[in-house]
Amino acid sequence: EADIYQTPRYLVIGTGKKITLECSQTMGHDKMYWYQQDPGMELHLIHYSYGVNSTEKGDLSSESTVSRIRTEHFPLTLESARPSHTSQYLCASTGTGPSTLHFGNGTRLTVT
Amino acid sequence: AQKITQTQPGMFVQEKEAVTLDCTYDTSDPSYGLFWYKQPSSGEMIFLIYQGSYDQQNATEGRYSLNFQKARKSANLVISASQLGDSAMYFCAMRDGRDTGRRALTFGSGTRLQVQP
Repeated sequence: EADIYQTPRYLVIGTGKKITLECSQTMGHDKMYWYQQDPGMELHLIHYSYGVNSTEKGDLSSESTVSRIRTEHFPLTLESARPSHTSQYLCASTGTGPSTLHFGNGTRLTVT
Repeated sequence: AQKITQTQPGMFVQEKEAVTLDCTYDTSDPSYGLFWYKQPSSGEMIFLIYQGSYDQQNATEGRYSLNFQKARKSANLVISASQLGDSAMYFCAMRDGRDTGRRALTFGSGTRLQVQP
């Protein structure tokens, strides 16, 4: 049973459109993450957040932006989508201790 | 330098047999954690097993066990009695001192496992 939710599951959109990928978690986790993954490839961290009003760039440069106005919500926005943004975007969260990352089901974005 | 290395892009195994997926890591921190995830074709990431650097025993979770060899910096995943549903991508990941604050994971490139009937 998922405690972290991503919408939409699939998105096909034209070049130049603004899009927002939604991510919400019900576990009360402070730390949240966005990873980008091309098909069959490794995951790359693009954004993370320590908590409300905290956002940081990850290891892989991304043209996307994020916000964290509420603990449970961590949306990712692309102001002007391009074909190079075609990828899967995975949202995750974690609690304290040696705990693992809990992932959402991902959003598969295709920009035509 | 790559922190997590998975040298097997693809593996085949017969149903009901055991399979080992390799993972080596690189860190200078004495405290770190190692994770394995399964990613089916549907795309979600499923946590399988965790090993802490100070854990004395190898981690086990059902049919999954982690062969942790600290001196060799390897953390291989062993799946016993493979099932058709085990066919998926498998990712090894690590959290070390650099990630202590942000608590992110660094992932390897993955191994695609196919279980044959």
